[in-house]
Amino acid sequence: DVKVTQSSRYLVKRTGEKVFLECVQDMDHENMFWYRQDPGLGLRLIYFSYDVKMKEKGDIPEGYSVSREKKERFSLILESASTNQTSMYLCASNEGQRDYEQYFGPGTRLTVT
Amino acid sequence: GQQVMQIPQYQHVQEGEDFTTYCNSSTTLSNIQWYKQRPGGHPVFLIQLVKSGEVKKQKRLTFQFGEAKKNSSLHITATQTTDVGTYFCAGGNQAGTALIFGKGTTLSVSS
Repeated sequence: DVKVTQSSRYLVKRTGEKVFLECVQDMDHENMFWYRQDPGLGLRLIYFSYDVKMKEKGDIPEGYSVSREKKERFSLILESASTNQTSMYLCASNEGQRDYEQYFGPGTRLTVT
Repeated sequence: GQQVMQIPQYQHVQEGEDFTTYCNSSTTLSNIQWYKQRPGGHPVFLIQLVKSGEVKKQKRLTFQFGEAKKNSSLHITATQTTDVGTYFCAGGNQAGTALIFGKGTTLSVSS
């Protein structure tokens, strides 16, 4: 079974802090994705990566950056956390075409105070 | 940009009643996928439809892809409390970009 893990289930940070969310997948997938999920807004794509050191902006990249130094690991970085970044963050991965079946991690619920 | 609209946003049913959620895209899709997210959980892939007019069944769940490949539906027959959760459709773009998710339909079931 594909396994996608995320570094924390719950995280509380202060406004202005730099926040790192980490995602690891164990199936050698080329593509990895970061989404945020908010009530009534569904899943919104922040960034995705189709190879090591390669990335593309999604629908809502402002205030975020990403890093993919190894194929199995994809990090989401909040350079200076703000309260409007309080959300559930979901990581996903897939192989092949970008629009193939995605495997999601358990999510990180981030609260910025 | 491309959008995938999903309705209704919420649906409450009595156990044993049927349930349907609908997805509509502004553009032709390469494929449509359906995911289920249980309360407190993460989205889990249910199925993918690729062909125009395709219909697939999984026990009490029936998935359809429209002839024009712009719309899809998920129908659950005789809902059970285990069907509770949020159902997302996600459309594949013929340009090969990432999936576009609908906002989901949250189903609640009372026994």
